[in-house]
Amino acid sequence: ELKVEQNPLFLSMQEGKNYTIYCNYSTTSDRLYWYRQDPGKSLESLFVLLSNGAVKQEGRLMASLDTTARLSTLHITAAVHDLSATYFCAVSQDLEKLTFGTGTRLTIIP
Amino acid sequence: DTAVSQTPKYLVTQMGNDKSIKCEQNLGHDTMYWYKQDSKKFLKIMFSYNNKELIINETVPNRFSPKSPDKAHLNLHINSLELGDSAVYFCASSPLRVGTEAFFGQGTRLTVV
Repeated sequence: ELKVEQNPLFLSMQEGKNYTIYCNYSTTSDRLYWYRQDPGKSLESLFVLLSNGAVKQEGRLMASLDTTARLSTLHITAAVHDLSATYFCAVSQDLEKLTFGTGTRLTIIP
Repeated sequence: DTAVSQTPKYLVTQMGNDKSIKCEQNLGHDTMYWYKQDSKKFLKIMFSYNNKELIINETVPNRFSPKSPDKAHLNLHINSLELGDSAVYFCASSPLRVGTEAFFGQGTRLTVV
């Protein structure tokens, strides 16, 4: 069974700092997604990563995928308060169901 | 022009009652899902339908019964509600097949008292 782990589970960081969230998965995968969830809100799709070495960037967020290591990272550059949210990675194998990671609750402190 | 809409947004009910949550998507997607998010924010798929056909049925008590009258709608009926059913239930849809990018509704927060 596909397992997806994220770390850290909780992250408090100061504005202006850089940090990385890690997503490890247990078996081969054909695609990986990153989602954002604000408190009490829905999930918003951020990135879709389809192949080894894929890198996507949007503003202060950059996601990458290493299928050999079964690892994706979400890098935050010069964090700002608006980025406070819970971030989920999700993986699908053989275009079966999406399996979500445990989530990383990110709090940006002024 | 909401893409995936669920009703109601909040639902408070007593143990033993039966309740339904409705979901509609106007994206023209073929696949729809129900996910459950527990108090620790963990998200788990419950059901998936593709063009009204049940594709995924995870290990969910049979008190939960999905119904898809057409590919734009997927409803969830829950019988004999229990305290442990309290959670946020998300409807989602994706184009084409299961496992492609999912677009989520705003969620239904169910509280069983």
